[in-house]
Amino acid sequence: EFVLTQSPATLSLSPGERATLSCRASQNIHRNLAWYQHKPGQAPRLLIYDASNRATGIPARFSGSGSGTDFTLTISSLDIEDFAVYYCQQRSKWPPLFGQGTKLEIK
Amino acid sequence: QVQLVQSGSELKRPGASVTISCKASGYTFTTYSLNWVRQAPGQGLEWMGWININTANPSYAPGFTGRFVFSSDTSVSTAYLHITNLEADDSAIYYCARTLRSGTYNYYYFMDVWGGGTSVTVSS
Repeated sequence: EFVLTQSPATLSLSPGERATLSCRASQNIHRNLAWYQHKPGQAPRLLIYDASNRATGIPARFSGSGSGTDFTLTISSLDIEDFAVYYCQQRSKWPPLFGQGTKLEIK
Repeated sequence: QVQLVQSGSELKRPGASVTISCKASGYTFTTYSLNWVRQAPGQGLEWMGWININTANPSYAPGFTGRFVFSSDTSVSTAYLHITNLEADDSAIYYCARTLRSGTYNYYYFMDVWGGGTSVTVSS
């Protein structure tokens, strides 16, 4: 069974700090991975697609890396508006699963 | 601007049916496929499936076959999610979301424009 595992489940950081979120696939998904930001009461927002391509309008402090089974979303310097839940999603295997999410909270 | 506007919250009894609408504007509706995503209370995002708007052909993820139907009406640039025989576990926020596209290439299942979500509560 294919799974996407995000870690950590919760990340507590302060504004200005660097955030590193991980997404691990149980099988090789090449670079077929996206990252979304989701805030309560709002629609999810596409940040990164194909592992490292920033979506339209996404600030440069968001970057994605990785290929195969290990992927990382990095936020270089946290802004107060960045505290949210982050999901990875793959489209290499059917069905296109989401990870379980990482909650980024203010320390 | 490009947007997807969803219908309002629904409160339904178990066994009833519900239809959620998702109206597109700001782009050519038939050029992009649409996905449906569910978020149950306290849970993460779950991809339900998608519909090719051009052909009206739907595809469903495991767990969303039978009671869930995707459809679309190009004359009003609107997609629909119809759920029959509602159960308590169907209580969730349902999102429609457009497939990411660059030029003529479709990044199927990646989603760049999302509706605001429709809350469905199933309770007796």
